[in-house]
Amino acid sequence: AQSVTQPDIHITVSEGASLELRCNYSYGATPYLFWYVQSPGQGLQLLLKYFSGDTLVQGIKGFEAEFKRSQSSFNLRKPSVHWSDAAEYFCAVGASNFGNEKLTFGTGTRLTIIP
Amino acid sequence: ETGVTQSPTHLIKTRGQQVTLRCSSQSGHNTVSWYQQALGQGPQFIFQYYREEENGRGNFPPRFSGLQFPNYSSELNVNALELDDSALYLCASSPPRGGHEQYFGPGTRLTVT
Repeated sequence: AQSVTQPDIHITVSEGASLELRCNYSYGATPYLFWYVQSPGQGLQLLLKYFSGDTLVQGIKGFEAEFKRSQSSFNLRKPSVHWSDAAEYFCAVGASNFGNEKLTFGTGTRLTIIP
Repeated sequence: ETGVTQSPTHLIKTRGQQVTLRCSSQSGHNTVSWYQQALGQGPQFIFQYYREEENGRGNFPPRFSGLQFPNYSSELNVNALELDDSALYLCASSPPRGGHEQYFGPGTRLTVT
């Protein structure tokens, strides 16, 4: 069974500073990996996804993530955060076989931006 | 291009009642997945529908059931509501052969009293 751990419940970053949100997954084969963002009371917006190939993936809003198989990690990064990035961020893993397409989510990391 | 829509936005029900939540998939998408997100938690997979058939189910009891219609829209039905069913219910649609690539709607907030 797949699982995801997001070790940081809450992170506070100054506007303009760099950001890294951690994600560790557990899955027996090469997983499909995702980062979603959720603003208060809203649904989830897909930031980026990794299926195969280049381990550094670019997403929307200036975010990127790097898949590291040896560390079972898929950390999200942004070089300079904006106040509008304040939200809840979820990492998710999907099994890479047809017929089992559920996503398993972590518990999320809440990002606060200070001026 | 219209995204995933869900109705209603909010709903208040009494314990023991039944509820139906609705979801319209994004244009061109043929797979729908449903998730339950309790307060302060990540979404939990309920089930997925493809070609009007259930295609995978999470750890939810049979009182959670669903339908998918020929136009790919979907319903989530919950019978005998319990207080713990209070949550945000999220629907996601996926493009053909892209069941993992899920695009979410805004959700329905269900409160059970």
